[in-house]
Amino acid sequence: DAKTTQPNSMESNEEEPVHLPCNHSTISGTDYIHWYRQLPSQGPEYVIHGLTSNVNNRMASLAIAEDRKSSTLILHRATLRDAAVYYCILRDPNSGAGSYQLTFGKGTKLSVIP
Amino acid sequence: DGGITQSPKYLFRKEGQNVTLSCEQNLNHDAMYWYRQDPGQGLRLIYYSQIVNDFQKGDIAEGYSVSREKKESFPLTVTSAQKNPTAFYLCASSIALAAHSLYEQYFGPGTRLTVT
Repeated sequence: DAKTTQPNSMESNEEEPVHLPCNHSTISGTDYIHWYRQLPSQGPEYVIHGLTSNVNNRMASLAIAEDRKSSTLILHRATLRDAAVYYCILRDPNSGAGSYQLTFGKGTKLSVIP
Repeated sequence: DGGITQSPKYLFRKEGQNVTLSCEQNLNHDAMYWYRQDPGQGLRLIYYSQIVNDFQKGDIAEGYSVSREKKESFPLTVTSAQKNPTAFYLCASSIALAAHSLYEQYFGPGTRLTVT
């Protein structure tokens, strides 16, 4: 399975943009890039996903490199509520049983400074 | 509001006792999942269910059991056979569990189980 690499931690000032990187150099052509986040002592929450094109939703934007070997989750204005662990994962809809299992690594712990 | 509820939030048990964790969803989702999370670690899949009266083992099913008698409910029993039961247990659901689909999973707030 293709793996992802994320920094262990990042800091951001409140109301400033945050760019969370994810490397996935062995990504396959059918892997989708998904992001979830987990606030302290809570269950994970879906953030966004994409395949090739950049994606936007109400929570964040996802910028995918042209070669798809890396991607960046962008929070446009960080708030204290965005302090969480952010997970970048790859999901292949053609991988049978593996397509629905979310395999989280250690993610990036984002701290937001007031 | 639609969502997933897990109860209780914290649970304490003595070693050797079976314990059942509750998971209920009112999202009308067909698929439900149980994950375990240990401190500083990612998620590991215990069991999943695609439909009522059907469930499959995940990567770490040993020492656990589940049932799916109703679409809304997917309780997990941690048996005395589970060697290291202390963990944060997360229940999730998705619209379906279908090949060639990547439905997002919605998670409950989790149950933190401590066994001493």
